[in-house]
Amino acid sequence: DGGITQSPKYLFRKEGQNVTLSCEQNLNHDAMYWYRQDPGQGLRLIYYSQIVNDFQKGDIAEGYSVSREKKESFPLTVTSAQKNPTAFYLCASDSSTGTGTEAFFGQGTRLTVV
Amino acid sequence: AQSVTQLGSHVSVSEGALVLLRCNYSSSVPPYLFWYVQYPNQGLQLLLKYTSAATLVKGINGFEAEFKKSETSFHLTKPSAHMSDAAEYFCAVSRGGGYNKLIFGAGTRLAVHP
Repeated sequence: DGGITQSPKYLFRKEGQNVTLSCEQNLNHDAMYWYRQDPGQGLRLIYYSQIVNDFQKGDIAEGYSVSREKKESFPLTVTSAQKNPTAFYLCASDSSTGTGTEAFFGQGTRLTVV
Repeated sequence: AQSVTQLGSHVSVSEGALVLLRCNYSSSVPPYLFWYVQYPNQGLQLLLKYTSAATLVKGINGFEAEFKKSETSFHLTKPSAHMSDAAEYFCAVSRGGGYNKLIFGAGTRLAVHP
């Protein structure tokens, strides 16, 4: 079945550590996105990418980094510079054929700082 | 700049009652609008989308939404609530510009009681 796979489902980070969240899609989508979800705030865009080896900052990119070495993969690294990383992280992709294209979401990774 | 406002962070209805979830948007360009549903600890699933075709849009699970330009609204309705409709619902607008970057509302949590 085609879809987006995020791993791990739960992740715990110690203060000062970098952690990487995985996102893989087999939908052959060009565009991929990372969103952060906090209670009562909806989803906010962290980074997005339309093609391999190219990505753009979203609204809240500080403290995060990404790479897009393969079309199907878009990992997100939460660095120690992110002061409040505890949140639910969602990866999405779409075919990027134009505005209004349906975005497909993964099941999310819940990151907790311990 | 586009924005989305969802009125009511929590809505509670009886099983069989009408569901009405409110969404107002602000957009300087013709908007593409979406409603997504999220079940606990899950990703988002598209319910329906408006892309300038019909103003009354029918989606999955018996939901529909009406685009009203004069009111800048895109409210989500369902004639008869089911217990399985209990979830969080997000309204979103696409920013355009070649990417399908979404701006989300804060979400409305729907509770359905017997």
